[in-house]
Amino acid sequence: DARVTQTPRHKVTEMGQEVTMRCQPILGHNTVFWYRQTMMQGLELLAYFRNRAPLDDSGMPKDRFSAEMPDATLATLKIQPSEPRDSAVYFCASGLGGPSTFGSGTRLTVV
Amino acid sequence: DAKTTQPPSMDCAEGRAANLPCNHSTISGNEYVYWYRQIHSQGPQYIIHGLKNNETNEMASLIITEDRKSSTLILPHATLRDTAVYYCIVRVANSNSGYALNFGKGTSLLVTP
Repeated sequence: DARVTQTPRHKVTEMGQEVTMRCQPILGHNTVFWYRQTMMQGLELLAYFRNRAPLDDSGMPKDRFSAEMPDATLATLKIQPSEPRDSAVYFCASGLGGPSTFGSGTRLTVV
Repeated sequence: DAKTTQPPSMDCAEGRAANLPCNHSTISGNEYVYWYRQIHSQGPQYIIHGLKNNETNEMASLIITEDRKSSTLILPHATLRDTAVYYCIVRVANSNSGYALNFGKGTSLLVTP
């Protein structure tokens, strides 16, 4: 089965450090999503791209978060500087207009 | 996108059918009903979707009422591995919406031996 691959699976970092999460979407999928999941807020949409162009990043704190797609096989989500409240599981998903396929997530802990 | 309402939790005995309801009374004519589930510590997994006709696949069946204001996801023979949070999502399926999903709180299904 085709998969969305996310790295790293787990990341522990100190407050103030830069964090980069990576996602390899399914080959051929033209839409990539970033979601964040916490106990309090559940699953929230942060941003998404179509054909590598950002379509909506209104769910993302702009001052510290940035999302890019340097090429069709890589999407990145960067947090700089990281804060304890950013601790969450970050999911990437990709799709081609129908159901999305999710990766296994990056569990981020900021101490 | 229309809002959905689901019970927060349900139990089901292993081997029995699990019927998960979802209310979406404000659904529009061009909105689809999607179901995803999330098993603990994993990413959400697509199950099934439909517009107005009932749908069935290898995982589940989706029954949508004639007025489309509610639907039921049916797992015909629940197993312990079906224990998960099930999300009912209503979404416009066109390129303008970006196909993004708005997850609510879902229904936590516990399948017991």
